[in-house]
Order: sequence, then structure tokens, then C-alpha cells
Amino acid sequence: DAKTTQPNSMESNEEEPVHLPCNHSTISGTDYIHWYRQLPSQGPEYVIHGLTSNVNNRMASLAIAEDRKSSTLILHRATLRDAAVYYCILRDGSYKYIFGTGTRLKVLA
Amino acid sequence: DSGVTQTPKHLITATGQRVTLRCSPRSGDLSVYWYQQSLDQGLQFLIQYYNGEERAKGNILERFSAQQFPDLHSELNLSSLELGDSALYFCASSVAGGLMYFGPGTRLLVL
Repeated sequence: DAKTTQPNSMESNEEEPVHLPCNHSTISGTDYIHWYRQLPSQGPEYVIHGLTSNVNNRMASLAIAEDRKSSTLILHRATLRDAAVYYCILRDGSYKYIFGTGTRLKVLA
Repeated sequence: DSGVTQTPKHLITATGQRVTLRCSPRSGDLSVYWYQQSLDQGLQFLIQYYNGEERAKGNILERFSAQQFPDLHSELNLSSLELGDSALYFCASSVAGGLMYFGPGTRLLVL
């Protein structure tokens, strides 16, 4: 299974942008990059996903490196409600979504 | 609300016992996934079903089993329970292998 590497934790000030990095050096050409987040005491929720091009949605932006060996989830203005564990996952065709340990984001008021 | 329901929300039982966790996927979703999350641990993939058939298997113990029924709901059976089985158990569903929608989880405490 292709693996991802993320920092254990990050901090951000409220109302400032946050860049959450993910390394996936063993990614294959057909692997999609997915991001999920888990708010305290809740199940994970989908944030965004992409294959090659950068993606934007109402929650966040996903910037994918040209060689696809890394990606960055961008929260444009962090709020206290964005404090969560953020997971970067590679989805291949095997139906397995393997979650790593994720990045715990702390947002400071 | 993701549309995925899990029952019960909480479960307290003793070592050696057997429990069944239930999951109802979102309407129209054919795939069901089970994950285990121990205290301060990441999500461990257990097993996935698609339209009643097992599709992928992760680190699921032999004491654990699951199935997906014709109405697409799924059950995760945990037997000969040990203290270390105490965890949050999440179910997720998706249309096929697409975006996953997670339920609120079942918190299992084994005493």
C-alpha cells in the first residue's frame, strides 16, 4: 500500500492561512490523493481530493506537486472549528483507504 | 449528518464476551468499510464489503468477522473480547470505491 507522511502536529492563528503538507513519494500514476479530517469526537469527514491538477472547493484547496510526490492542503482562513486531525490518503484501485497518523491542527484564537 | 448510522453508540461489556455492531449505509451506497480507532491512535482499516461481498481486508483479527446483508446494512461481530479491543469502531459507506462518508462511531469499552 502506498504510504503518506505528514507532520504530527501544526499550529495556526485564527483567520490566517494554513498549509498542511503531505509526502507520498511512492505514489503511482493512478492514485488519487484524498484529504479527510476528524473533528473531536466525530467520524472523519471528506475534505477534498485530486489526481494531478490543483483543486478548490468551499472547504479548502489542494495543491499537488508537478511530480505528484507531495501535496498541500490549504485552509485559506483557519477558524477554531477547523481544529482537527487532517489525514492525507492515497486511494488506489484496491478499495483500501489506509489512514496514516495524520496532522493534528491546533488553531489559536 | 453523513447519512450513515451506527448502533449502538456506546457499548460496555466484559472480557470474553461477544458483541455485534451495526451499520446502515447512506441510501444508494453499495460499499461499507469498517475501521477501528484505539485511544489516541489512527484509524485502522478492518474490512470492506461491496454489495454483499468482501472486497478488501485489512488488519482484522480472526476473532472479528463482518458481513453485509441484502439490504446493504452491515454488522461487525467481535468475539472473545479482550481489554485491548476497547476502541471506537467506525463504519463508512461509499457508492463504489469513491468518497467515503463516515458514521458517528460505536464506542466499545471492554472491562
